[in-house]
Amino acid sequence: QVHLVQSGAEVKKPGASVKVSCKASGYNFNDNYIHWLRQAPGQGLEWMGWINGKSGATRYAEKFQVRVTMTRETSISTTYLELSGLRHDDTAVYYCARLDSDWDAEYLQYWGQGTLITVSS
Amino acid sequence: DIQMTQSPSSLSASVGDRVTITCRASETITRYLNWYQQKPGKAPELLIYASSNLQNGVPSRFSGSGSGTDFTLTISSLQPEDFATYYCQQSSSFPWTFGQGTKVEVK
Repeated sequence: QVHLVQSGAEVKKPGASVKVSCKASGYNFNDNYIHWLRQAPGQGLEWMGWINGKSGATRYAEKFQVRVTMTRETSISTTYLELSGLRHDDTAVYYCARLDSDWDAEYLQYWGQGTLITVSS
Repeated sequence: DIQMTQSPSSLSASVGDRVTITCRASETITRYLNWYQQKPGKAPELLIYASSNLQNGVPSRFSGSGSGTDFTLTISSLQPEDFATYYCQQSSSFPWTFGQGTKVEVK
């Protein structure tokens, strides 16, 4: 059974960086991409980017290009999202999700439980 | 970026009602449209992918249709566990984008 387990909530000051982890189990980590998304309080979902579990290749949303880094440690089936230069409007629940596909259709079938990052001075 | 517009933003309905939510893309996305359900404090759950394909384990009262720019999610007979927020999402091109959500509330 596929599980994605994320690290716990954090409180950060403006300007700081945060690193969120997402540990995968129940499948071959190298076989899938992991996407990262976020959801500000009371708001909708925002896509941030993806990382290829096998190669480590990444693609980021232009909005986050300068501030985001996605990495992975294949030995422990874990993906990381690091966001720097935190601002108050980065306060959100951050999700990792596994990319699945059916022919050419792609979708996010398995999600982590979410990690609340609060940016507060 | 492709803009996704859902309507309505919220609706009130009763158990047993037929509910329809629409999603419009700012340009054609062929059939690359997914629907998710989200309950408070929980991660989204995939309902339908590629416009009309029901995800394994999702009740058959959920259905999706559409292609190009206009899509629909239908719940044929609303059940108590269906009160939630629903999001459409395009996977045609990056950046992936979501609709603003439709909250289905108890009437």
